[in-house]
Amino acid sequence: DAGVIQSPRHEVTEMGQEVTLRCKPISGHNSLFWYRQTMMRGLELLIYFNNNVPIDDSGMPEDRFSAKMPNASFSTLKIQPSEPRDSAVYFCASPDGEHSPLHFGNGTRLTVT
Amino acid sequence: GENVEQHPSTLSVQEGDSAVIKCTYSDSASNYFPWYKQELGKGPQLIIDIRSNVGEKKDQRIAVTLNKTAKHFSLHITETQPEDSAVYFCAAVSGSARQLTFGSGTQLTVLP
Repeated sequence: DAGVIQSPRHEVTEMGQEVTLRCKPISGHNSLFWYRQTMMRGLELLIYFNNNVPIDDSGMPEDRFSAKMPNASFSTLKIQPSEPRDSAVYFCASPDGEHSPLHFGNGTRLTVT
Repeated sequence: GENVEQHPSTLSVQEGDSAVIKCTYSDSASNYFPWYKQELGKGPQLIIDIRSNVGEKKDQRIAVTLNKTAKHFSLHITETQPEDSAVYFCAAVSGSARQLTFGSGTQLTVLP
């Protein structure tokens, strides 16, 4: 298995632009988690899905952030409009079994100028 | 919600020495405690985990201990090597929830 695959690896955009981050979880299980990592706040859970349904989105910072999981093999995290304070590394994670630990992708480093 | 505290934030050891990283958690319902290693430019990678029905678990040079009464758990790395240098995160999962709450991380540097 290729593990969790995220794209792009790096994204640089200007303030006000829309940003879409993509994730392909490990096949065979429908749970998916989006985390954000910054120096100041560490690793924070933004949202997680189970069976393609958002279960807990209390970590989503504000309405500018939205996430979807249209099917078991794909999820997106969208920021519109983006702001400099959104600059961070965004990770996607999924388990490889019902009671398995989370496996993380290599992240998308977002820079908003 | 769960709160996980991790110490120290930085740790330097000589190659061959042991390293210990400690975490505490707040929610007594937490029942699963993984440890992740993060290298530069990569996502966190699971290195060992422990469930609340076990007090200690070992995998080669890495061991984890759990004290449920005190709500402490620790990572022990023996015979450290330069490739052990990375940021280490502890985490806790509360009850039936699936989401991890992470500690703030420990930057471990193994000096050759």
